[in-house]
Amino acid sequence: AQSVTQLGSHVSVSEGALVLLRCNYSSSVPPYLFWYVQYPNQGLQLLLKYTTGATLVKGINGFEAEFKKSETSFHLTKPSAHMSDAAEYFCAVTPARAGNMLTFGGGTRLMVKP
Amino acid sequence: DTAVSQTPKYLVTQMGNDKSIKCEQNLGHDTMYWYKQDSKKFLKIMFSYNNKELIINETVPNRFSPKSPDKAHLNLHINSLELGDSAVYFCASSPSQLPTIGQFFGPGTRLTVL
Repeated sequence: AQSVTQLGSHVSVSEGALVLLRCNYSSSVPPYLFWYVQYPNQGLQLLLKYTTGATLVKGINGFEAEFKKSETSFHLTKPSAHMSDAAEYFCAVTPARAGNMLTFGGGTRLMVKP
Repeated sequence: DTAVSQTPKYLVTQMGNDKSIKCEQNLGHDTMYWYKQDSKKFLKIMFSYNNKELIINETVPNRFSPKSPDKAHLNLHINSLELGDSAVYFCASSPSQLPTIGQFFGPGTRLTVL
């Protein structure tokens, strides 16, 4: 069974500051990991993913995440926050090679102050 | 060119009514899903269909009945609506042979039961 924990349901940063959204997962088999973003009143959009290979993955809008197996983490970062980054962010896990059943974390609302 | 579409976007109805939400995807995927997002933004899988066959049915009241007339469509019918059914319902799709792709989400249907 898989589970995902996102530390901090709300994160507030100033525009231009570093963004760090935390995600820890639990999986009995090697996982595929995803970050999705949800803008207000919209559906979820894939931000980036880790499947195999390089553990530092880059996504859209300047976001990146690093898969750390020893820490069972997949934290999302962005060097400089922009007002347009304000949204809800979801981390999700699925067992590799076992289908597409995603388990989502509880989400983190990112607020960006001017 | 919308990949995953849902209708209607908003649905306001009285308790006890029956309503349906429709979902269509033009991505050629063979697996489709329904998720419920509650007021705290928590996402929970409800159903998953692969090639028109039900493969996942989480603990959902039997008032909820999904129907997949073909691979590109997955509709959700809800009988005897209750206040607690108020939520945003998301449809998603994915290709079962490519789990690294992740899932593609529709824009959501906001259901309000009065």
